[in-house]
Amino acid sequence: GAGVSQSPSNKVTEKGKDVELRCDPISGHTALYWYRQSLGQGLEFLIYFQGNSAPDKSGLPSDRFSAERTGGSVSTLTIQRTQQEDSAVYLCASSKRTGHNEQFFGPGTRLTVL
Amino acid sequence: AQSVTQLDSQVPVFEEAPVELRCNYSSSVSVYLFWYVQYPNQGLQLLLKYLSGSTLVKGINGFEAEFNKSQTSFHLRKPSVHISDTAEYFCAVSGDGGTSYGKLTFGQGTILTVHP
Repeated sequence: GAGVSQSPSNKVTEKGKDVELRCDPISGHTALYWYRQSLGQGLEFLIYFQGNSAPDKSGLPSDRFSAERTGGSVSTLTIQRTQQEDSAVYLCASSKRTGHNEQFFGPGTRLTVL
Repeated sequence: AQSVTQLDSQVPVFEEAPVELRCNYSSSVSVYLFWYVQYPNQGLQLLLKYLSGSTLVKGINGFEAEFNKSQTSFHLRKPSVHISDTAEYFCAVSGDGGTSYGKLTFGQGTILTVHP
């Protein structure tokens, strides 16, 4: 069966531009998580969704970051006015429900801000 | 709040030798622990998890880990490694309730390099 997919796989943008990163979770998974992986900070939690609502946005680094989920499925992470420190791999994961269930990770989107 | 410390950033080992990757955690409430592996240019894959019950947990690819509450450790072991085990390994603890339920806090990762 299909796993978690993310697009684009690579994104190069100029400082100050907006970017959108997409995540397609495994069908039927109600919980969706966004993480960021960077050299300096390791793997950091950003936000998670249960259905279309986001009970925990505590990991979003600034108000330039936002995310939404529609139809309990696809999620989009948007970064406005990108900065060089936003360069990282953005990982999406889904699980059958929230809690201590296995999270299945996508391959990530590598974002480079020039 | 919880945190995870992986004591070794890099572990080199020869093929067929045993290996132990160390992980210590801190958490104020119940603990749920995970080990994930990341092969080059791939996403994270679950190796094993401890939720409750037996403190010795067996996972995929011959890996196992032991939960030690008194030492707050969850070290990963394999008795005989293969070249294909070369990857980065992450220890993680799950959120301890409330709105953070299920959220993973990761250690900094350990790069395991298996030499022929």
